[in-house]
Amino acid sequence: DQQVKQNSPSLSVQEGRISILNCDYTNSMFDYFLWYKKYPAEGPTFLISISSIKDKNEDGRFTVFLNKSAKHLSLHIVPSQPGDSAVYFCAASGNSGAGSYQLTFGKGTKLSVIP
Amino acid sequence: SAVISQKPSRDICQRGTSLTIQCQVDSQVTMMFWYRQQPGQSLTLIATANQGSEATYESGFVIDKFPISRPNLTFSTLTVSNMSPEDSSIYLCSVRQGEGSPLHFGNGTRLTVT
Repeated sequence: DQQVKQNSPSLSVQEGRISILNCDYTNSMFDYFLWYKKYPAEGPTFLISISSIKDKNEDGRFTVFLNKSAKHLSLHIVPSQPGDSAVYFCAASGNSGAGSYQLTFGKGTKLSVIP
Repeated sequence: SAVISQKPSRDICQRGTSLTIQCQVDSQVTMMFWYRQQPGQSLTLIATANQGSEATYESGFVIDKFPISRPNLTFSTLTVSNMSPEDSSIYLCSVRQGEGSPLHFGNGTRLTVT
């Protein structure tokens, strides 16, 4: 049972346009969400996060939106650049109460930005 | 953020053998984790590497198959024992430097078992 779902395995966007990557989750206990970017032969790199007390977090060209009622979050990249071409993973965390920080990941969406 | 060095970066191993993956961090970190990414799948947490005590394993992962060491706050190893082709995956070391900080990952070890 996948608790974090990224239903689009791939996405192609023209350079300069907006990229929108979507993520859905099923576990109501999740209260912290992250996006990671992964280039081939590299580990995932933290991109941006959002706490469940917010509905939007912005960092430069990257904005994450959280809709708790729909259990849905999205990552917007504006404007998209060829260097943004990578696999993007959505991840979620809940309060485990033990001080650990366990992330549940989606399967990733491969973004291709076309020059 | 911490610099995480993982080795080997890749290996091809024969069925029935074991491989030990090393993870070295350039600063002391409170928490270290080992993840696995099977082909076409998401990243899955194998275990939390606890300094000075036994690792905490997630459901579906056992110490006999994935023994983990963490002798200090900057180093950990993961051994994949008695390998089968189903163990072919990318294995990733990750660290968390403190409360509220995100996980950071090493570049991973791409393991192929033939």
